[in-house]
Amino acid sequence: DAGVTQSPTHLIKTRGQHVTLRCSPISGHKSVSWYQQVLGQGPQFIFQYYEKEERGRGNFPDRFSARQFPNYSSELNVNALLLGDSALYLCASSLNGGRSGNTIYFGEGSWLTVV
Amino acid sequence: QQQVKQSPQSLIVQKGGISIINCAYENTAFDYFPWYQQFPGKGPALLIAIRPDVSEKKEGRFTISFNKSAKQFSLHIMDSQPGDSATYFCAAGRKDQGGKLIFGQGTELSVKP
Repeated sequence: DAGVTQSPTHLIKTRGQHVTLRCSPISGHKSVSWYQQVLGQGPQFIFQYYEKEERGRGNFPDRFSARQFPNYSSELNVNALLLGDSALYLCASSLNGGRSGNTIYFGEGSWLTVV
Repeated sequence: QQQVKQSPQSLIVQKGGISIINCAYENTAFDYFPWYQQFPGKGPALLIAIRPDVSEKKEGRFTISFNKSAKQFSLHIMDSQPGDSATYFCAAGRKDQGGKLIFGQGTELSVKP
């Protein structure tokens, strides 16, 4: 079975632009979470979605938004990009939002560079 | 209270040796403690995880030790191999917060042949 898949793998954007990152969870998994990993640091939680509803939000500005689709795939959107948004954006999936297992699997990430 | 503190920041071990990475947490509501391994340019891969109702869990060469009273947990890699060279992250989560994990700062492990 395929793991968590993310696209694009690498992208370069200019300050002020908008970016959309996409994620498909492991087949059968209904929960998707997004994390930002700045070089040299651990991943930081941005959002969790379960059954198309937002279940958690980290300490990120409103420029960050996300949604989950009926097929459980998800998009992360970032508006008005800043240089500090340059990072590896990770998508993670879990079977049921972690409520009975918390086993969370990560994708390979999307590398975003803002210039 | 949401922090997870990890040490050391970097670790050099000889092949065949034992690698030990430590983590400490403050929030007693955490009930899930996974370890992830990350190679350069890759996403974190789940290595092993433990819940606070057990004090130790072993999978192959990897062992998690958990001390609930001290709010500490550690990863031991026995017979360390050059292929284990990677960055290791501890994390903590809560059952009522689903897919949200709080990560430590990471430990860069280098195993010398």
